[in-house]
Amino acid sequence: GQNIDQPTEMTATEGAIVQINCTYQTSGFNGLFWYQQHAGEAPTFLSYNVLDGLEEKGRFSSFLSRSKGYSYLLLKELQMKDSASYLCAVGRSNDYKLSFGAGTTVTVRA
Amino acid sequence: GAVVSQHPSWVICKSGTSVKIECRSLDFQATTMFWYRQFPKQSLMLMATSNEGSKATYEQGVEKDKFLINHASLTLSTLTVTSAHPEDSSFYICSANSGSEGHIETDTQYFGPGTRLTVL
Repeated sequence: GQNIDQPTEMTATEGAIVQINCTYQTSGFNGLFWYQQHAGEAPTFLSYNVLDGLEEKGRFSSFLSRSKGYSYLLLKELQMKDSASYLCAVGRSNDYKLSFGAGTTVTVRA
Repeated sequence: GAVVSQHPSWVICKSGTSVKIECRSLDFQATTMFWYRQFPKQSLMLMATSNEGSKATYEQGVEKDKFLINHASLTLSTLTVTSAHPEDSSFYICSANSGSEGHIETDTQYFGPGTRLTVL
């Protein structure tokens, strides 16, 4: 089975940094994905980690530790447009299916 | 690259009617497409996996006779909600996986914009 946990909500100030943690327990593993989803819209792909370590893409970075079943998404220099739900998803081995966490709603305040 | 479209973006129908939703990969061939459903303030729930030229694989608890999936080509999959009822009202999202296309990341699912279905 799949068990993916992430905080429900986080609030931060414009220009600040926020770290969204995700822990997972899955029967198979084929990478850890982060998606951003604005209200009423479909998710957009942010990052993909399959090996341990940090992947940096501009203001967003994602970290993975497979031995700990742990990942985080780091959002730097927060902007108002970053207010959204951030979904942690684990890829299952071989069949390309994703199991999603419930999502973390990030609210950026001025 | 990696653009996925869905049509319609929203639909309102009467209870008992059927609704067809199309999902297209516009700039790549999708070896696999996925259909999700999302209720308000909840995460995405996978309904079924669609492979071109073969029968869809449904997740546990999803009625295959109610949610008909046809993957006619490497760029098109359709979901038909048959005899829709108010409890079927939801946000339906498709995604496509490229397999090993050279210009986009493998193993990554790219999502369509979603279809909001309201059944009266």
